Amino acid sequence: QSVLTQPPSVSGAPGQRVTISCTGSSSNIGAGYDIHWYQQLPGTAPKVLIYGNTNRPSGVPDRFSGSKSGTSASLAITGLQAEDEADYYCQSYDSSLSGSVFGGGTKLTVL
Amino acid sequence: QVQLQQWGTGLLRPSETLSLTCAVYGGSFSRHHWSWIRQPPGKGLEWIGEINHTGNTNYNPSLKSRVTISVDTSKNQFSLTLASVTAADTAVYYCARITFTLTTKWFDPWGQGTLVTVSS
Repeated sequence: QSVLTQPPSVSGAPGQRVTISCTGSSSNIGAGYDIHWYQQLPGTAPKVLIYGNTNRPSGVPDRFSGSKSGTSASLAITGLQAEDEADYYCQSYDSSLSGSVFGGGTKLTVL
Repeated sequence: QVQLQQWGTGLLRPSETLSLTCAVYGGSFSRHHWSWIRQPPGKGLEWIGEINHTGNTNYNPSLKSRVTISVDTSKNQFSLTLASVTAADTAVYYCARITFTLTTKWFDPWGQGTLVTVSS
């Protein structure tokens, strides 16, 4: 049972838009701590996709965007491409645990 | 460009001690904190703990009694030991650099990962 809740899977056709939600509580997202998103391609280490709720590292396409509201956050991917098929994880800080917490991960399938 | 390279024992018996080391190449070792994260096969990510260059640590409460993270600033390396392992500790273990702001921290970049299997 992860502290942050994500849907186990989402899917979309090439070119479509998908969103992945991340729901927390008053001790993490709701407390004002930022959300970060990671992309994990099969057999590789996770890579940061979005940091500080909305910021993209250099090299990450602007098809990826993040948002946060209340105790939830979302990752949106527009213009879906086959190469986007991967697992996506959200991460934040939790004051009750005094440490970092992750969502359970969402598997994105490009149909 | 910062790179993290990790190594350690891949196969352990129950009750043995897991030991992994991560070397940091490039960048400023003392300006960042460093972390270990694990991922059981087919499952999600779990933060294990972190350390700064002065040796101050913070551990996941669920693992705190068995975990030690240490640092060797002369070699730009940090290490993880996990005592009394069981099959539930089987996972890919990653080292990662922590970047801070006033309100948050995130992990970037990550090491390549080391699969540790606990089996009798």
